[in-house]
Amino acid sequence: AQSVTQLGSHVSVSEGALVLLRCNYSSSVPPYLFWYVQYPNQGLQLLLKYTTGATLVKGINGFEAEFKKSETSFHLTKPSAHMSDAAEYFCAVSGPDMRFGAGTRLTVKP
Amino acid sequence: DVKVTQSSRYLVKRTGEKVFLECVQDMDHENMFWYRQDPGLGLRLIYFSYDVKMKEKGDIPEGYSVSREKKERFSLILESASTNQTSMYLCASSPGLLRYEQYFGPGTRLTVT
Repeated sequence: AQSVTQLGSHVSVSEGALVLLRCNYSSSVPPYLFWYVQYPNQGLQLLLKYTTGATLVKGINGFEAEFKKSETSFHLTKPSAHMSDAAEYFCAVSGPDMRFGAGTRLTVKP
Repeated sequence: DVKVTQSSRYLVKRTGEKVFLECVQDMDHENMFWYRQDPGLGLRLIYFSYDVKMKEKGDIPEGYSVSREKKERFSLILESASTNQTSMYLCASSPGLLRYEQYFGPGTRLTVT
C-alpha cells in the first residue's frame, strides 16, 4: 500500500526566501509522485509530477522537486518565494489509487 | 483545458436530508473520484468510478453512495445527511490510473445543521 507523509503542517517564509516543503512516501512498487497546490476556495491543481526518467522535475510557477529513491523523498522547492505562492500544498503517490498527504500550508511574509 | 465542474460551491442542509452533489467533466475521462477534505486529514477517497455504471469504494464510503449513468457525470449522494458530514467535497477526473494526474473541480463546501 502507498502512503505519504508531509513534514510540517505550516511553513512560513519571507518573500524572496527559499521554499522547501517536505514529502516522504512509502510504496511497495515504483512510485508515481505528484505535487498539487490549492489556493483558497479552489480545487487542487497540478504543480508537477514524477513518473519515470529524470529525477529532478520542474513544474509551474518556478517550483521543482527531486525524486530520491534512497531517501523515499520528493521534496518541493522554489528558490525565491512570492506572495502569490501562499496556498496549501499536497504531495501524492499513485498506484492503484492516489494517496494524498495531509497538506502543508505555506505563508509568505512581506 | 480539462474542466471539472461541481453543481454547487456552497450548500447548507439539515440533518436527515438527502443530498445530491453533482460533478461533470468535459474531457471524456474514464475515471472519476469523490473526496472529502478536512483540515489536518488531507483528501480522503469516498468512491471512484472507472467506467459508466461501475464504482469502487474508497477509504470512507459509509453514509455515501454514488451514481454514474453517463461517462461525463458522477454524482455523490448522502442518503441521510449528518453533522459529521460537514466538509469540503472535491470531485476529480483522470484519463487513466497510476501515472496520470487528476483534474479537480472547485469543490462544494457542505454544511449540515
